Amino acid sequence: DAGVTQSPTHLIKTRGQQVTLRCSPKSGHDTVSWYQQALGQGPQFIFQYYEEEERQRGNFPDRFSGHQFPNYSSELNVNALLLGDSALYLCASSFTGLGNTEAFFGQGTRLTVV
Amino acid sequence: AQSVTQLGSHVSVSEGALVLLRCNYSSSVPPYLFWYVQYPNQGLQLLLKYTSAATLVKGINGFEAEFKKSETSFHLTKPSAHMSDAAEYFCAVTPVGGADGLTFGKGTHLIIQP
Repeated sequence: DAGVTQSPTHLIKTRGQQVTLRCSPKSGHDTVSWYQQALGQGPQFIFQYYEEEERQRGNFPDRFSGHQFPNYSSELNVNALLLGDSALYLCASSFTGLGNTEAFFGQGTRLTVV
Repeated sequence: AQSVTQLGSHVSVSEGALVLLRCNYSSSVPPYLFWYVQYPNQGLQLLLKYTSAATLVKGINGFEAEFKKSETSFHLTKPSAHMSDAAEYFCAVTPVGGADGLTFGKGTHLIIQP
């Protein structure tokens, strides 16, 4: 079992551009959550996807959007990138029957906006 | 709204000494609580969790934590620190049922002195 995999591992984008990050959940998991971790801070919840719909959302602007596919994989899209969007983006997967009691995190995607 | 406070952004202990990392939560009802560890340039690894069962929880790598409702605390301890314990530690909370996103503290950087 490969666990939670994220791609790419590193990304450099220019301010104003758009970016797409990808996440494949752990085998058997059907729920994907995305977090933003700024340097020196704890992760902050962006949103959660279940059954291809956004189930819950944190305090992030509409520039942040997502998608979940029938195979449970997910994408995070960020439009009109700002310098402040530079962070480590973490994906976590879980089985909805267990909720976050068994959430597994990927290694993250390091996004740098210049 | 739930919140987590981790006292001490940096904690330094000698190898072999007791490790104590503090976490206090704010919630209208006792939530589910977690401790995660993050090594440099890595994702988050679950150390242990409290989900309304035993108040003393044992986790991986010799760590344990005790849920104290009266003190709204969930401090992490390890009797004898090892050099490999040097990392960033995050306390997190989610409502009972665990369907919501996790709310993390700002983290404590654990330094092990030889």
